[in-house]
Order: sequence, then C-alpha cells, then structure tokens
Amino acid sequence: DADVTQTPRNRITKTGKRIMLECSQTKGHDRMYWYRQDPGLGLRLIYYSFDVKDINKGEISDGYSVSRQAQAKFSLSLESAIPNQTALYFCATSDPLGGGEGNEQFFGPGTRLTVL
Amino acid sequence: AQTVTQSQPEMSVQEAETVTLSCTYDTSESDYYLFWYKQPPSRQMILVIRQEAYKQQNATENRFSVNFQKAAKSFSLKISDSQLGDAAMYFCAYRSGGGYGQNFVFGPGTRLSVLP
Repeated sequence: DADVTQTPRNRITKTGKRIMLECSQTKGHDRMYWYRQDPGLGLRLIYYSFDVKDINKGEISDGYSVSRQAQAKFSLSLESAIPNQTALYFCATSDPLGGGEGNEQFFGPGTRLTVL
Repeated sequence: AQTVTQSQPEMSVQEAETVTLSCTYDTSESDYYLFWYKQPPSRQMILVIRQEAYKQQNATENRFSVNFQKAAKSFSLKISDSQLGDAAMYFCAYRSGGGYGQNFVFGPGTRLSVLP
C-alpha cells in the first residue's frame, strides 16, 4: 500500500464550488505539505504543518485553507473555486529527524483539479 | 529567500547516451540539501538523488550522478546510458539544513525526452 495517499485523483468542478482534497499518510511523519504544480512553475508551497497544532501559510495560500485532523491526515480546501486554481495538487510528508530518510519529502500521487 | 533555476525547459537524449540537466540556486546559507526528483507520466514524484552541502564528494546512484559546485551554486544531474524509462520531468529542489523553516524550494523543471 502507498505511504501517502490522496483523494480524489481527479476532479472536475465549477467556479464557486467548495472543494476538499484529502491526504493521508502511514509514514508516521509529523510534517505535511500541500503544493500545486503548474507548467513552467514547478511546485509551489500552499500550506505546511509541522504538527497537528502547527499550521503555516506557504508561498501561495490565498484562496486555500487547510485542516490537520490528525498526525496522519491533512486536508486542503478551496472555499470558492476559480479557474486559475486548475492545477495538479500534491501532498507530501517529511521527517527531518528520520535518519537517512530525514532529508527528503515523500509525495502522494497527486490530484488533478479542473475548475470550469 | 532561496530560489532554484533550471534553465533548460526541455532536453532530449538518444537512448544509451549521456545527458546533463542544469540547476542553479541562490542562497546565503552554508548548510543545506539539494535534490533531484523525477516525475514520469504517472505524475508520481520520485527522488532520484540527494546531496548534502557539507559533503564535497558528488553523490551517485547507479546511472545518476551529480556535479555539485558549491561556490558556483550549481547542481547538475548527469544521466548515463539513458533508457526510455528515464523520460520524465526532472525537478531540482533545495532545502535549508537547519532551523524551524526547513521547507523545500523547487525549480520549474526540465522535461527530458529519450529517443529510441
């Protein structure tokens, strides 16, 4: 089974709708992240959480909100979706104290979101 | 703030040949980590190789190796004996080595095509 899972894998929605993207992990990592990927821009950080009570805005948080329901779960919401939020969204985890794995991020499979 | 630049939006290589992907970064820190991630058509982000800035020796992983030039802030990826499965987007990434805000910064990516 995958260590980091995201649901849904693909979603098409309309402008103005509220959308939630969910991320779960079984790696036991405290740190979780949400990124969006756009062509030519790479991955940009939306929000990150270093533990359940610690949530921080990233580079491009406007129009997004998050919820860290548990160590293993981190959800991203678009309160009122707009077309320029059409992108590929990734959840990732890391554990800086994890020895050999401690310096990398582990990614989910991504969610392709289209806002019409 | 740190920035990561990949000046080659697209590259191509003949199967079995060698190709080098470029990455430069800007930072005032001395302690950091650098990474190359691969994103095949499946969208999954896969770690290819990592380099600790305090190590002078260039990292290698089978057919993948890096040329880390700390003074020049350059971190190129060399793929030897290219295979069709190497075709993917490649992202260079930077992570600070210490402190609270150990977030990743990604470059815009290079799309590599492998020609049979």
